[in-house]
Amino acid sequence: DTAVSQTPKYLVTQMGNDKSIKCEQNLGHDTMYWYKQDSKKFLKIMFSYNNKELIINETVPNRFSPKSPDKAHLNLHINSLELGDSAVYFCASSQVGQKQYFGPGTRLTVT
Amino acid sequence: DQQVKQNSPSLSVQEGRISILNCDYTNSMFDYFLWYKKYPAEGPTFLISISSIKDKNEDGRFTVFLNKSAKHLSLHIVPSQPGDSAVYFCAAKPQTGNQFYFGTGTSLTVIP
Repeated sequence: DTAVSQTPKYLVTQMGNDKSIKCEQNLGHDTMYWYKQDSKKFLKIMFSYNNKELIINETVPNRFSPKSPDKAHLNLHINSLELGDSAVYFCASSQVGQKQYFGPGTRLTVT
Repeated sequence: DQQVKQNSPSLSVQEGRISILNCDYTNSMFDYFLWYKKYPAEGPTFLISISSIKDKNEDGRFTVFLNKSAKHLSLHIVPSQPGDSAVYFCAAKPQTGNQFYFGTGTSLTVIP
């Protein structure tokens, strides 16, 4: 059983398009996160949700919007994709303040 | 502003020897530190952690050392095995809040 799953694993799209990445966790955790790993391999937090409330937003452009239909899901919507959005996006979950469990990542390529 | 730094992007070690991975941080409010291991095309997986009330934590072949005065932590792997070849990320969290700060990773290669 996969603890944290993401779909799709690879996403290739053109500039200007709108896309979504889905994330689900079956660990019963109350906090979920989205990270971006850029070309410099730096893992930077984008969002986290705790009990369906956004508690961190790290100056991410408002083209990115997290959507959490329930505690087990945190989806990432990206509008008007730009070349600079190309990166690997990781979803993660944890109990508050505890170690995180990561999904396998989604490699987004914007052409 | 990178608050967690791993200054060595790569490290090569012979099988059976010790691997030492280093991490420095700048924020004195960090009180919980973790190491994650990442294989290609996979997400990071938790390896070992330490809280600021300790200076050492050991789990099998893995030991993490924390030097609060130097704002430095290190991960020791003894003995190193080829399966340890991966990218290792250091992460830290302050006392308040739920945000983890990650370093840029060190790619470890264990040579058989």
